Amino acid sequence: DARVTQTPRHKVTEMGQEVTMRCQPILGHNTVFWYRQTMMQGLELLAYFRNRAPLDDSGMPKDRFSAEMPDATLATLKIQPSEPRDSAVYFCASGSARDNRYNEQFFGPGTRLTVL
Amino acid sequence: QKEVEQDPGPLSVPEGAIVSLNCTYSNSAFQYFMWYRQYSRKGPELLMYTYSSGNKEDGRFTAQVDKSSKYISLFIRDSQPSDSATYLCALRNNNNDMRFGAGTRLTVKP
Repeated sequence: DARVTQTPRHKVTEMGQEVTMRCQPILGHNTVFWYRQTMMQGLELLAYFRNRAPLDDSGMPKDRFSAEMPDATLATLKIQPSEPRDSAVYFCASGSARDNRYNEQFFGPGTRLTVL
Repeated sequence: QKEVEQDPGPLSVPEGAIVSLNCTYSNSAFQYFMWYRQYSRKGPELLMYTYSSGNKEDGRFTAQVDKSSKYISLFIRDSQPSDSATYLCALRNNNNDMRFGAGTRLTVKP
């Protein structure tokens, strides 16, 4: 049963601390997306990778957020330093741009982040 | 003005009702139209997709696109309590830029 996995599922931290969220895309997928979901803003795209290269991170606050793909099986999203306004659910999604006309994105279960 | 507008609801209907969910958009560059369903505390999952104006039917679900009006709809016939979820429209252009609506929270009461 292929699915996107994310860790941790929940994270509570204090303002100023570093937060690292991890995502394992579906094996064989070559696109990875990071989204942030809040009640106020809905689902916002933070970063988009294809074949491990960042294609679009314009939605990501550059001063504190960074996204990387150390290898094809791992994507990371890091916040340093974290702030209360970063509290949200962070979703990772993966897809296959090669053979998917619609670029269907398969979402992980999300990481619920609370910054106190 | 947001690129994609979607009424957040909440929307509550009795079991068996026909549900109509809608989104409007402003950018004619969007060519692919999708509906995602998101259950509470889960990630969104693709429900339907289309790329042309007109209707596409899949069981109890019908997706409708009117490119001239920049208006898309999702209809759910014979709604069931298991349809209770948040429904997000998603639009994509040829550059793979994707935009999601805010999501409409639907409750179907038995």
